[in-house]
Amino acid sequence: EPEVTQTPSHQVTQMGQEVILRCVPISNHLYFYWYRQILGQKVEFLVSFYNNEISEKSEIFDDQFSVERPDGSNFTLKIRSTKLEDSAMYFCASSGLASRGDTQYFGPGTRLTVL
Amino acid sequence: EDQVTQSPEALRLQEGESSSLNCSYTVSGLRGLFWYRQDPGKGPEFLFTLYSAGEEKEKERLKATLTKKESFLHITAPKPEDSATYLCAVHNSGGYQKVTFGTGTKLQVIP
Repeated sequence: EPEVTQTPSHQVTQMGQEVILRCVPISNHLYFYWYRQILGQKVEFLVSFYNNEISEKSEIFDDQFSVERPDGSNFTLKIRSTKLEDSAMYFCASSGLASRGDTQYFGPGTRLTVL
Repeated sequence: EDQVTQSPEALRLQEGESSSLNCSYTVSGLRGLFWYRQDPGKGPEFLFTLYSAGEEKEKERLKATLTKKESFLHITAPKPEDSATYLCAVHNSGGYQKVTFGTGTKLQVIP
C-alpha cells in the first residue's frame, strides 16, 4: 500500500541553525502538506502546496519557514533559523485532490529537537 | 474559525467493554470529517472519512457516525491493541485545504 515517507526520523539541532525536513508523498497525489505537533498538543496545520506553489498557510508559517518540491518525488520543509519553540513532531501529508474532503495521508513524522 | 472538541480526554476500558468517543465540531460548511488513530511518537493513521449527516462507516471493531454537530467513534469489544489516541479532524468547505484537528481521546484497553 502506498505511503508517505519522511526523513530523518529524528533531527537534533542548535538554536539558530537551519534544518531541512524531507518527505516523499504518495506518488499520484497532487496536494502536499506540512503539519506540526508540539508534545502533548494537537496537530496544527502549517502549509499546503499545489502545482508548485503554496496554496494556503497558517499564522505559524512565517518567513522562517519555506517549502519546496525540488524534483518529482520529494517535498521539503526548511526552517531557516531554528528557535527552541520549533521543537515538535513535523508531519508531512498528501492527498489526491482537495475537493470533497479528500483524505490526507500522513507520514510517520520527524521529531525536531532544538537545543 | 473551525473548532473541534473531543471527549473524553482519556478513556480506560476493560477488554471487551464497548464504548463511544465523541467529536463535536463547528464549521461554516463541512467538506469532510476524518478519524485518525495515532500511536505514541507516530503519525496519524487514517481510519474513516465521513461527508454528510447520517453517514456511517465500519472497520473491524470500529464504527464512525456523523450528525450535523458531532461524530461518534464506537468501539465494540475492544482489544488491548486498540489502545491509542483517536483524533478527529474537519475539512472546511470554504475553499481551504487545511484540516483542523481536535486534541484527541487517549484510549487504554486493559486485558
